[in-house]
Amino acid sequence: SAVISQKPSRDICQRGTSLTIQCQVDSQVTMMFWYRQQPGQSLTLIATANQGSEATYESGFVIDKFPISRPNLTFSTLTVSNMSPEDSSIYLCSVEPRGMTYNEQFFGPGTRLTVL
Amino acid sequence: SQQGEEDPQALSIQEGENATMNCSYKTSINNLQWYRQNSGRGLVHLILIRSNEREKHSGRLRVTLDTSKKSSSLLITASRAADTASYFCATVHHAGGTSYGKLTFGQGTILTVHP
Repeated sequence: SAVISQKPSRDICQRGTSLTIQCQVDSQVTMMFWYRQQPGQSLTLIATANQGSEATYESGFVIDKFPISRPNLTFSTLTVSNMSPEDSSIYLCSVEPRGMTYNEQFFGPGTRLTVL
Repeated sequence: SQQGEEDPQALSIQEGENATMNCSYKTSINNLQWYRQNSGRGLVHLILIRSNEREKHSGRLRVTLDTSKKSSSLLITASRAADTASYFCATVHHAGGTSYGKLTFGQGTILTVHP
């Protein structure tokens, strides 16, 4: 298993600004994932972050809007850029710990973002 | 796009009753997982069933998988008020020959268990 923390836990931001969300894991992991959960909706994968390489973005998500850093095996950041009210969501990071045979993922507590 | 469809969207039961949630998906999978989310917080992994398995148990949880119908069900027996949460199925695909799994989540079922 893995213990994951996220900062901030919640934030209220103004339109046009940017917010960087941090994800810290208590063990070294290869794969980290960022998800968005819009109000009342399910989770949608934004991108996969592999240490040492560029993040891989899913359809509908672009690097200019959601730049991701993955400087080491225990840490990643997601930036939500030039925010609009439509970006109001819960953003979750998850990891697939090493040794997981069947791709179970462990999730952070999420960052609840409100854009005014 | 979301692969999974879950029903019901919401389920309200009394403590002690059983709760059954269903999930359907569209493409072939490596495995299917169920997660619980309390009050819009992080997800907790509940149980995983591989594509070559038909049924699996874990405590009060029972999950079935029918790959011919591309569907799964999660049964929670003897429910408790603490089981109140949103439940999501997630299918795993190994994209492009990679070994890591991309999770595609269903729409979720909101379960309310009344004391």
